[in-house]
Amino acid sequence: DAGITQSPRHKVTETGTPVTLRCHQTENHRYMYWYRQDPGHGLRLIHYSYGVKDTDKGEVSDGYSVSRSKTEDFLLTLESATSSQTSVYFCAISGGRLNYGYTFGSGTRLTVV
Amino acid sequence: AQTVTQSQPEMSVQEAETVTLSCTYDTSENNYYLFWYKQPPSRQMILVIRQEAYKQQNATENRFSVNFQKAAKSFSLKISDSQLGDTAMYFCAFPPNSGGSNYKLTFGKGTLLTVNP
Repeated sequence: DAGITQSPRHKVTETGTPVTLRCHQTENHRYMYWYRQDPGHGLRLIHYSYGVKDTDKGEVSDGYSVSRSKTEDFLLTLESATSSQTSVYFCAISGGRLNYGYTFGSGTRLTVV
Repeated sequence: AQTVTQSQPEMSVQEAETVTLSCTYDTSENNYYLFWYKQPPSRQMILVIRQEAYKQQNATENRFSVNFQKAAKSFSLKISDSQLGDTAMYFCAFPPNSGGSNYKLTFGKGTLLTVNP
């Protein structure tokens, strides 16, 4: 979507390998988020960032780490991918206060085999 | 803890008819926003409508409207004159903590709506 891009769009990886997903925004928004979407669970927050180098855990953070060295980039890393991390991952951005909710990226479908 | 509940995992409606998707939530806040998002088969998440909790008037966006019952903590989405393109997963969302720096949304599990010709 305009202003936020995720890469890659699809990825297949093997169990035990590290994986990094990238989220890039051009809106200069302060807040960035990583969610995973699974059938029957909706969207669940993994990690979020409220500024450069300021991050915090969400409800399903185990097995994931994040980094934000620049306002525009928010990286999600699976240190050692497991089959339970097969999911669709969404990045989202917000200017704060959530008056207008989030703007979402187009998602990354990750398959761990 | 789950703070947003969508009790209808799946629904279907005939084209041109009206359908209502339900959502309930739990909060102790008084001033907040509520949102409905649509996810068509393309996977893109699209904001459909938002409601400000301190406004009594229900939000409307073309064929989409909400029935907001603040005391009951209910936020349902009504789709009028359903179209085939409305077939999608619909998510209700709201920020459980609107104060401080906790600017994050909690989502319901979703309702899969199918519009039949």
